Amino acid sequence: AQTVTQSQPEMSVQEAETVTLSCTYDTSESNYYLFWYKQPPSRQMILVIRQEAYKQQNATENRFSVNFQKAAKSFSLKISDSQLGDTAMYFCAFMSYGGATNKLIFGTGTLLAVQP
Amino acid sequence: GAGVSQSPSNKVTEKGKDVELRCDPISGHTALYWYRQRLGQGLEFLIYFQGNSAPDKSGLPSDRFSAERTGESVSTLTIQRTQQEDSAVYLCASSMTRATDTQYFGPGTRLTVL
Repeated sequence: AQTVTQSQPEMSVQEAETVTLSCTYDTSESNYYLFWYKQPPSRQMILVIRQEAYKQQNATENRFSVNFQKAAKSFSLKISDSQLGDTAMYFCAFMSYGGATNKLIFGTGTLLAVQP
Repeated sequence: GAGVSQSPSNKVTEKGKDVELRCDPISGHTALYWYRQRLGQGLEFLIYFQGNSAPDKSGLPSDRFSAERTGESVSTLTIQRTQQEDSAVYLCASSMTRATDTQYFGPGTRLTVL
């Protein structure tokens, strides 16, 4: 069975600084995707970034980038130039594909607070 | 275009009552998922619909939980004889046909069982 572990329940960062959120996962699958979702107090889950496991190049989306270490099964999220609007719960998620159901498996989340 | 919508936003019920939660997926999305998020935890998969195929119900925690979807439209999640441990946020997500398509989430329904 696949598992996703986020070992940092809470983190804090000053506005304009850089912060890295950690995520590790366990799987025996070969074909999978990894995601970071953001959940602000509104509860809406918003996709931040996704990484295809077969790609060696790390995904980037503006101020958000990942450090994907496939052998170590590590998938960290780096947020540069942190903004107050980045305050939210961040979830790392795993999805294998090729089977009948492409469900997401989530970690327990990291609550990020951006301080002014 | 419109995103995934869910209703009601909040639901308070008494233990033992039945509740019905509704999800309207993004138009054209053939795949629909239900997840449960307990307080302070990540999301747990409940059920998956893909077009007219038989749903994957492997995540439903008990036979008190059921869900329906007609074609590629609205889905309802029904919880019978609610228990206090059913209190959670229930999130719906939809995606297009391909297995690799991104899932887009609704705002969820917060269920509180007294």
